Amino acid sequence: KQEVTQIPAALSVPEGENLVLNCSFTDSAIYNLQWFRQDPGKGLTSLLLIQSSQREQTSGRLNASLDKSSGRSTLYIAASQPGDSATYLCAVCRNTGKLIFGQGTTLQVKP
Amino acid sequence: GAVVSQHPSRVICKSGTSVKIECRSLDFQATTMFWYRQFPKQSLMLMATSNEGSKATYEQGVEKDKFLINHASLTLSTLTVTSAHPEDSSFYICSAPARAGARGEQYFGPGTRLTVT
Repeated sequence: KQEVTQIPAALSVPEGENLVLNCSFTDSAIYNLQWFRQDPGKGLTSLLLIQSSQREQTSGRLNASLDKSSGRSTLYIAASQPGDSATYLCAVCRNTGKLIFGQGTTLQVKP
Repeated sequence: GAVVSQHPSRVICKSGTSVKIECRSLDFQATTMFWYRQFPKQSLMLMATSNEGSKATYEQGVEKDKFLINHASLTLSTLTVTSAHPEDSSFYICSAPARAGARGEQYFGPGTRLTVT
């Protein structure tokens, strides 16, 4: 059974810091891995999608890496801003299209 | 980009009543849609896969008679919570794959907050 774990569960940093969020999964047979952002009481915003054959994806200040063999992905946020405060979720996609989500990392960036 | 809408965004109902939640793909067709549930401070849990023109497939532990799913067209899936109870209070979110085949990028609806009193 696929399990997805995110560490840390919560993170508080001062504005401007670079930070790394971690995601690990137990079954390497994935189709892709996605990172999402969720603001309180809101739906999901897709940030980055990494196909199983890719090693990383970049979008602006965000960079996500994938090491399928070790079952790990990281989301790197450069020069964090207060507007980055949210919960970040990673999810692995199986061949069926089903997404298995981690518990999320709640990030607070202090001005 | 593709948009998925949900209606209603928020609903409060009395225990024992049924509630219908709609999920629509606005500018693309979706033969498959997914329904998720999120309890407070928890992550999203897949409930079921909605298939256009056929029965939905439910995840283990999800009661199919309680959570009725109908995918009557290529742009609409509905989730009906029957005889709702306070423990069904949750945030329900649907998603639809961007392309046929279910895999790949998915677009998520904004969610429906259900409160059962």
